[in-house]
Amino acid sequence: GAVVSQHPSWVICKSGTSVKIECRSLDFQATTMFWYRQFPKQSLMLMATSNEGSKATYEQGVEKDKFLINHASLTLSTLTVTSAHPEDSSFYICSASPGLAGPRDTQYFGPGTRLTVL
Amino acid sequence: AQKVTQAQTEISVVEKEDVTLDCVYETRDTTYYLFWYKQPPSGELVFLIRRNSFDEQNEISGRYSWNFQKSTSSFNFTITASQVVDSAVYFCAFKADRGSTLGRLYFGRGTQLTVWP
Repeated sequence: GAVVSQHPSWVICKSGTSVKIECRSLDFQATTMFWYRQFPKQSLMLMATSNEGSKATYEQGVEKDKFLINHASLTLSTLTVTSAHPEDSSFYICSASPGLAGPRDTQYFGPGTRLTVL
Repeated sequence: AQKVTQAQTEISVVEKEDVTLDCVYETRDTTYYLFWYKQPPSGELVFLIRRNSFDEQNEISGRYSWNFQKSTSSFNFTITASQVVDSAVYFCAFKADRGSTLGRLYFGRGTQLTVWP
């Protein structure tokens, strides 16, 4: 149980295009989802926290107009990188928490999406 | 503020050696959780252990063992008889259980472990 999927697993796009990444909790309802980015040989950096049905909370320094997050249902959150540029190339990882329905201290991670912007 | 320090950036060992990965954390919270995750080259984070602040018992799971010492704010991870498949980046993480930081994980920088045959 507690499986989180991400789609796509990798994507290559041209500079200026927008890319949408999906994060799904497959066998539980995720009241909270988190989005991270990770540069090579670095740690995970939290970008934003999203709760179902409400606006995402972005970390300081993360442009909310560039990284659009939608958490429209209890099993799906999306991250859209708008007008992507080469510096947005990174490994994006989502995690999901079942909230009060499960161990509140548990986050389950997706397999990540590798974005390359040419 | 919460902070997790993994002072070892890279560790190399030869197969069958024991290796300990260090993790030190800083917090003013009394209730919190500590985690270890493994990130193999594929990139997916693999959950290894969760420990809450009230439980200082050491834990052993096969070749893995964890030493939680509240007095030194450390949560170290030991792999016994290491294997090549243990090669990965290991992250230590902290989560408070109150207030505005509820749910947020704070990660250390990670330790790259390479096990040579």
